[in-house]
Amino acid sequence: EAGVAQSPRYKIIEKRQSVAFWCNPISGHATLYWYQQILGQGPKLLIQFQNNGVVDDSQLPKDRFSAERLKGVDSTLKIQPAKLEDSAVYLCASSFEGPYNEQFFGPGTRLTVL
Amino acid sequence: DQQVKQNSPSLSVQEGRISILNCDYTNSMFDYFLWYKKYPAEGPTFLISISSIKDKNEDGRFTVFLNKSAKHLSLHIVPSQPGDSAVYFCAAGNTGTASKLTFGTGTRLQVTL
Repeated sequence: EAGVAQSPRYKIIEKRQSVAFWCNPISGHATLYWYQQILGQGPKLLIQFQNNGVVDDSQLPKDRFSAERLKGVDSTLKIQPAKLEDSAVYLCASSFEGPYNEQFFGPGTRLTVL
Repeated sequence: DQQVKQNSPSLSVQEGRISILNCDYTNSMFDYFLWYKKYPAEGPTFLISISSIKDKNEDGRFTVFLNKSAKHLSLHIVPSQPGDSAVYFCAAGNTGTASKLTFGTGTRLQVTL
């Protein structure tokens, strides 16, 4: 079974530039998550999709971050414009529907904003 | 507001001994808990979970204990192996809130020879 795929693995940009990350979840997983993990902290949920609908985006900085999940499969997360404090690892995860939420994570994209 | 806390940022244990990683939570609505393991440059990997209707769950060398009254859970690894060296995250969720997980800050475990 193929795991969660993410690209790129690393990205370096200057502040005020824009960047996009891509995620392809495990086949058949209805729920997709984007997390931000800042160095020394645990993953923080940015947005959760159920199929192609948004379930929770309460912690997404909507003035600069956007995400979409077209056709309920792969997803993109965009930052525009980037700030220094956006430097982090962006993790994508997916899961089956069910009461106990075992999420499967991709390898992450490490973003450095200079 | 840190609802899930891992107060020990690091832990060093000798190979063959027991590793005990601790996690505390404040939200009494959490009704299931998971442990994830993370190696450098990889995403977290699910390790073991426990529902609030249980106080113990075991899977091979890994056992998770839940003390609901103390809002505390712990992960025991016996015996510890060098390959267990990683960052361990505790996560908590509520079955009524669309599978949202809240993660702790992680504990870095180093298993020495």
